[in-house]
Amino acid sequence: QQQVKQSPQSLIVQKGGISIINCAYENTAFDYFPWYQQFPGKGPALLIAIRPDVSEKKEGRFTISFNKSAKQFSLHIMDSQPGDSATYFCAATNTGGFKTIFGAGTRLFVKA
Amino acid sequence: DVKVTQSSRYLVKRTGEKVFLECVQDMDHENMFWYRQDPGLGLRLIYFSYDVKMKEKGDIPEGYSVSREKKERFSLILESASTNQTSMYLCASRGQPTGELFFGEGSRLTVL
Repeated sequence: QQQVKQSPQSLIVQKGGISIINCAYENTAFDYFPWYQQFPGKGPALLIAIRPDVSEKKEGRFTISFNKSAKQFSLHIMDSQPGDSATYFCAATNTGGFKTIFGAGTRLFVKA
Repeated sequence: DVKVTQSSRYLVKRTGEKVFLECVQDMDHENMFWYRQDPGLGLRLIYFSYDVKMKEKGDIPEGYSVSREKKERFSLILESASTNQTSMYLCASRGQPTGELFFGEGSRLTVL
């Protein structure tokens, strides 16, 4: 019940294309779903996050789509750029508690 | 800007040695966390602390202990390092009320 399943493990996209990363969760108590971006040699940093009362959140080229009934959420990167090449982690947490559960990560490579 | 500083970026230790990993945050956050990052496994929670001198086990606490004597400092201790503890260790503090995690740059530990 505590797992967050993330796919794909790796992704290669052409510059200008759309990158899509999917996650699924089981615990319906989760109420905050962040995506973290990690560049080599750095710690993860919050990219964008959503709460389950909305179905979509957009910040620039990054969009989270959220399907509460299916317990799934996804990250879409529009007009992908080589600078977006990084590892992306989805996560889920219950803000009333302490634990954030992370997906296994997706390594994105955007070809120039 | 929130800053989480991990003092040791790279360490090489021998089996059986005691290892200290130090983490300091400058945002007066109450909650601090130690994660371990391994390829294909995402970030796994080792220990967390919700207040000074308070600590709770995470999902993989075996072989580790922690210390939080001051609010800004959270230390991870490997009492007797083993080769299976070779990994990247990430410290984080948590902002309220969003639950966003702020990570340090990581400490890469190699145990020979």
